[in-house]
Amino acid sequence: EVQLLESGGGLVQPGGSLKLSCAASGFTFSINAMGWVRQAPGKGLEWVSGISDSGTITFYADSVKGRFTISRDNSRNTLYLEMSSLRADDTAVYYCAKEWKDISGTTVGFDYWGQGTLVTVSS
Amino acid sequence: QSALTQPASVSGSPGQSITISCTGTSSDIGSYNLVSWYQQHPGKSPKFIIYEGSKRPSGVSNHFSGSKSGNTASLTISGLQAEDEADYYCCSYAGRRHWLFGGGTKLTVL
Repeated sequence: EVQLLESGGGLVQPGGSLKLSCAASGFTFSINAMGWVRQAPGKGLEWVSGISDSGTITFYADSVKGRFTISRDNSRNTLYLEMSSLRADDTAVYYCAKEWKDISGTTVGFDYWGQGTLVTVSS
Repeated sequence: QSALTQPASVSGSPGQSITISCTGTSSDIGSYNLVSWYQQHPGKSPKFIIYEGSKRPSGVSNHFSGSKSGNTASLTISGLQAEDEADYYCCSYAGRRHWLFGGGTKLTVL
């Protein structure tokens, strides 16, 4: 059974930093691209960042570029999101999600999601 | 890039069919056949229910169906059931390995 378990959320002051983790199990983590998607309280989903299976290629939404860093440790089956210069509008539940590829190798969506971890940016 | 546009809410009675639209631009939905849909019950994580506009992942009920025309994608739920009451989100590839979600649609089963 595929499981994604996020941790590391909490209350942080504006301008502060936080590092989220996502422990993966039930599938071969090292051959799957992964991503982070967030959801502000009462709002919709927003794609935040993605990373290739090897970890060598990363992508960021314009809203977090330069402030967030995605990484992974395939030996530990763990995905990370390091967040700095946090702002109030970064307050959200952060989900890690597994990218699902079709037979041509094209990502077509996110087939498994974790339960999310809440990040609150407030003084 | 702005979020994809979805109606804030739709409703229907049990057994009826409803359609949720998702409007993008020629840079996202109109350029790629990579629209996916997600169902999210309150307090739960999103569930993957449609990909490539109209395909269902294994295990997803066939009363969910999807389509795309131009810059607009649609999700149809036929034979509405009480358990279909949830929020629904569309998502489209937007180039440069970026993804756009819609604002979400709250489905109420009357």
